[in-house]
Amino acid sequence: KQEVTQIPAALSVPEGENLVLNCSFTDSAIYNLQWFRQDPGKGLTSLLLIQSSQREQTSGRLNASLDKSSGRSTLYIAASQPGDSATYLCAVGGAGNKLTFGGGTRVLVKP
Amino acid sequence: DTGVSQNPRHKITKRGQNVTFRCDPISEHNRLYWYRQTLGQGPEFLTYFQNEAQLEKSRLLSDRFSAERPKGSFSTLEIQRTEQGDSAMYLCASSLRLTWNEQFFGPGTRLTVL
Repeated sequence: KQEVTQIPAALSVPEGENLVLNCSFTDSAIYNLQWFRQDPGKGLTSLLLIQSSQREQTSGRLNASLDKSSGRSTLYIAASQPGDSATYLCAVGGAGNKLTFGGGTRVLVKP
Repeated sequence: DTGVSQNPRHKITKRGQNVTFRCDPISEHNRLYWYRQTLGQGPEFLTYFQNEAQLEKSRLLSDRFSAERPKGSFSTLEIQRTEQGDSAMYLCASSLRLTWNEQFFGPGTRLTVL
């Protein structure tokens, strides 16, 4: 059974600092990995999708890497802003592309 | 707006009542997923459809839960005889059929069972 872990559970940084969010998974037989952002009481916004054959994806200030063999992904957010405060969720896609989620990392960027 | 929509956004009900939620996926997406998220946790998979066929159900989906997607478009999730433990955010997502495609989520329906 796939298990996804995100460490740390919460993170507080001053504005301008780079953010590094970690995700690990136990079964390397994945089809893809998605990073999401969730604001309090809201749905999920997709940030980046990495296919299993890819090593990284970039979008603006966001960069996500994937190392299937070690079961790890890292999301980097450059030059953090207060608007980046949210919970970030990592999810791995398995058979049927159903997603298994980690517990999330709650991020606070202080002005 | 061409994203995934869910109704209602909030539902408060008394224990023992039945509730039904609706999800309208992105129009060309033939896969539709339901997830449940409790406070402070990541979402958990409940079930998914490819067109009108329900292809998989999680063990989390007890006999009191039923989902349908009658014409391969919108989907409904019904919970019968609600319990306080059913209180959660119910999220719907859709994607194209290809296994590696991105899932897009709706805003969710927050259920509170009193």
